[in-house]
Amino acid sequence: QQQVKQSPQSLIVQKGGISIINCAYENTAFDYFPWYQQFPGKGPALLIAIRPDVSEKKEGRFTISFNKSAKQFSLHIMDSQPGDSATYFCAASMKDNYGQNFVFGPGTRLSVLP
Amino acid sequence: GAGVSQSPRYKVAKRGQDVALRCDPISGHVSLFWYQQALGQGPEFLTYFQNEAQLDKSGLPSDRFFAERPEGSVSTLKIQRTQQEDSAVYLCASSYGTSGIGEQFFGPGTRLTVL
Repeated sequence: QQQVKQSPQSLIVQKGGISIINCAYENTAFDYFPWYQQFPGKGPALLIAIRPDVSEKKEGRFTISFNKSAKQFSLHIMDSQPGDSATYFCAASMKDNYGQNFVFGPGTRLSVLP
Repeated sequence: GAGVSQSPRYKVAKRGQDVALRCDPISGHVSLFWYQQALGQGPEFLTYFQNEAQLDKSGLPSDRFFAERPEGSVSTLKIQRTQQEDSAVYLCASSYGTSGIGEQFFGPGTRLTVL
């Protein structure tokens, strides 16, 4: 019930295209859904996050869409650039909890071709 | 300002050796997390500190793993009698508050290879 599923495992997109990564969760107690971006040899860095009281959040070229009833959320990267090539992790956690209740998906390796 | 730093960045150990991995969190951050990241996988939670108190160690895979944060700042993850399955990147993260939400700031990790 603590698992967060993520797809696809890898994604290749042409420069200027839209990258879409999907995640699903089971535990309805999760109430915070961040996306982290990780470059090789670096630690993950927060990209964008959403709370379940909204269905969409946009920051620049990055948008999270959230479907509470389906327990799914997705990351859309508009106008994808080669510099976006990285591994993306969705995650889920709870406001009144911590530790093992901060769960990461397995990651999506994105390659944006020039 | 300085981010989260970890040392060493790379560690090679022979099976059976003990290792110690250090994390320097962002100054003033109350919460500190350790994660294990296997190749091609997402980070998996190991343990959580709130100041010097270890409030959750449910993710530590065996009693060979031990973590401490004695003064509420620097933390050390120790692995005794290392095994090949311990090979992974060990990530440390810190955050300002104590809530389960909010940004975690990650260090670059320590890549441990056990031969």
